[in-house]
Amino acid sequence: SAVISQKPSRDICQRGTSLTIQCQVDSQVTMMFWYRQQPGQSLTLIATANQGSEATYESGFVIDKFPISRPNLTFSTLTVSNMSPEDSSIYLCAWTPRDEQFFGPGTRLTVL
Amino acid sequence: ELKVEQNPLFLSMQEGKNYTIYCNYSTTSDRLYWYRQDPGKSLESLFVLLSNGAVKQEGRLMASLDTKARLSTLHITAAVHDLSATYFCAVDPGNYGGSQGNLIFGKGTKLSVKP
Repeated sequence: SAVISQKPSRDICQRGTSLTIQCQVDSQVTMMFWYRQQPGQSLTLIATANQGSEATYESGFVIDKFPISRPNLTFSTLTVSNMSPEDSSIYLCAWTPRDEQFFGPGTRLTVL
Repeated sequence: ELKVEQNPLFLSMQEGKNYTIYCNYSTTSDRLYWYRQDPGKSLESLFVLLSNGAVKQEGRLMASLDTKARLSTLHITAAVHDLSATYFCAVDPGNYGGSQGNLIFGKGTKLSVKP
């Protein structure tokens, strides 16, 4: 399976600030996915990031709050903007090389 | 809207016992995934089920898919403590033969295996 890395692995941030999470895959992929896992909850898809086009956001998520960049086929970033304590979650990127979806190690975000 | 329901949400088992986790989903799909998550960790892919009647086994875990009933099961045989984790099923709502990749997850089953 491909290697997916995320940075940072964890962070503690102040309310009102923004954090950019990086996701690097060691293969070229067309689509990458960003998920959120709130404490004790399941995973919810935030958006699908296609290289060369705008990200597609799921219901309840907007670009102003979660801007995504996809500058090339191996890299994507997710920014959590104007953070509040409700944004405290694990953020995971993922990709689907064939029939299987693999997840990055996650970024554990705590907002104070 | 695709909904994925898992049950039970919590499962406490004795070592050596068998049990089944159920995953029901609300719309047509022929792609279903099972993942394991340990506390503080990311998701580990366990099984990918891609057709009706698919059955896959790895160690003490066996997963099956019935697309007509929209049901997948994860069967645990002779549980051991190392299987303690949270197990998620996820459904790909993509069209037949092509994955969209935007998985819809169940709420997860937190499994605790006690000696």
